[in-house]
Amino acid sequence: EAGVAQSPRYKIIEKRQSVAFWCNPISGHATLYWYQQILGQGPKLLIQFQNNGVVDDSQLPKDRFSAERLKGVDSTLKIQPAKLEDSAVYLCASSGGVGAFFGQGTRLTVV
Amino acid sequence: DQQVKQNSPSLSVQEGRISILNCDYTNSMFDYFLWYKKYPAEGPTFLISISSIKDKNEDGRFTVFLNKSAKHLSLHIVPSQPGDSAVYFCAATGNAGNMLTFGGGTRLMVKP
Repeated sequence: EAGVAQSPRYKIIEKRQSVAFWCNPISGHATLYWYQQILGQGPKLLIQFQNNGVVDDSQLPKDRFSAERLKGVDSTLKIQPAKLEDSAVYLCASSGGVGAFFGQGTRLTVV
Repeated sequence: DQQVKQNSPSLSVQEGRISILNCDYTNSMFDYFLWYKKYPAEGPTFLISISSIKDKNEDGRFTVFLNKSAKHLSLHIVPSQPGDSAVYFCAATGNAGNMLTFGGGTRLMVKP
């Protein structure tokens, strides 16, 4: 069974630029999450989708972050404009029940 | 407000000995708990879980204990191996659509 795929693996951008991350969940998983993991901390939920609908985006900084999951499969997470404090690993996870399977993450460095 | 806490940022253990990683939670609505293991440059991988209706779950060298009254769980690794060296995250979920709330992680170092 293929796992959660994310791209790119690494991204370096200057502050105020924009960036987008892509995620392809495990086939058949209805739930998709985006987590932000800052160095030395645990993953923090940004947004949760159930199929193509948003279940929870209460911790998503909506002035600069946006996410979509068209057709209830792949998802993209965008940051525009980026700030230095956005430097982190962005993890996508999917779930078909309880618990979640994670992708390798995208390490974003904002300089 | 941290609902899931791992108070030890790091733990060092000798190979062959027991590793005990601890986790505390505050939200009484949590009813399912998971441990994830994370190597550098990789995403977290699921290790073991426990439902609130149990107080122990065992899988090979890994055992998770849950004390609901104390809102505390622990992960025991026996015997510890150098390949177990990683960051371990405790996570909890309730009825909120299976959203996982993570602790801050504990870095385990198993010395040969």
